[in-house]
Amino acid sequence: KAGVTQTPRYLIKTRGQQVTLSCSPISGHRSVSWYQQTPGQGLQFLFEYFSETQRNKGNFPGRFSGRQFSNSRSEMNVSTLELGDSALYLCASSLPAGKNTGELFFGEGSRLTVL
Amino acid sequence: AQKITQTQPGMFVQEKEAVTLDCTYDTSDQSYGLFWYKQPSSGEMIFLIYQGSYDEQNATEGRYSLNFQKARKSANLVISASQLGDSAMYFCAMREGRTGNQFYFGTGTSLTVIP
Repeated sequence: KAGVTQTPRYLIKTRGQQVTLSCSPISGHRSVSWYQQTPGQGLQFLFEYFSETQRNKGNFPGRFSGRQFSNSRSEMNVSTLELGDSALYLCASSLPAGKNTGELFFGEGSRLTVL
Repeated sequence: AQKITQTQPGMFVQEKEAVTLDCTYDTSDQSYGLFWYKQPSSGEMIFLIYQGSYDEQNATEGRYSLNFQKARKSANLVISASQLGDSAMYFCAMREGRTGNQFYFGTGTSLTVIP
């Protein structure tokens, strides 16, 4: 069974540009979450999508947005990039917590560098 | 207040010895889940072990066990018989019942196993 796939793995942008990151969850997983990881702040929750609807949103400015498609694939977009947006962006998918633990399955991440 | 606190930025352990990584959490929910993840230098987050708030027994998964002390709100990870491949960052995380699939992560502990 394929894992969570994130593209691109690495990218370099300049301030003011925008970027779109893509995430394909594990087959059958309808929940997709995004996290930003930086050395200073650790992993910070961005948002979670389930069945094409945003269920939860973290404390990030409106420049950060996302969406989910009917096949559960998700994209996140960051507009007007700032130097502080340089980070590893991790996507995770999961089954609903209930009969299972509901743990997050992470992709390898997209490493964004803003110059 | 921090939801998850990991007070050990770095730890060293001799190969084949046991090591305990500390984690305390803060929640007013009765229903919550506690997770530990490992992040090697490659960047991917690997799920290790889960403890539910209503579980009376401490969770175990192979060489990993979780020392769950509910009254003290601690969920320490114990790794027995350390191996060189255990060298990585370790993150404690919590999912609260009321916030759906939003996970809160600690700042992590960097574990180095010495031959």
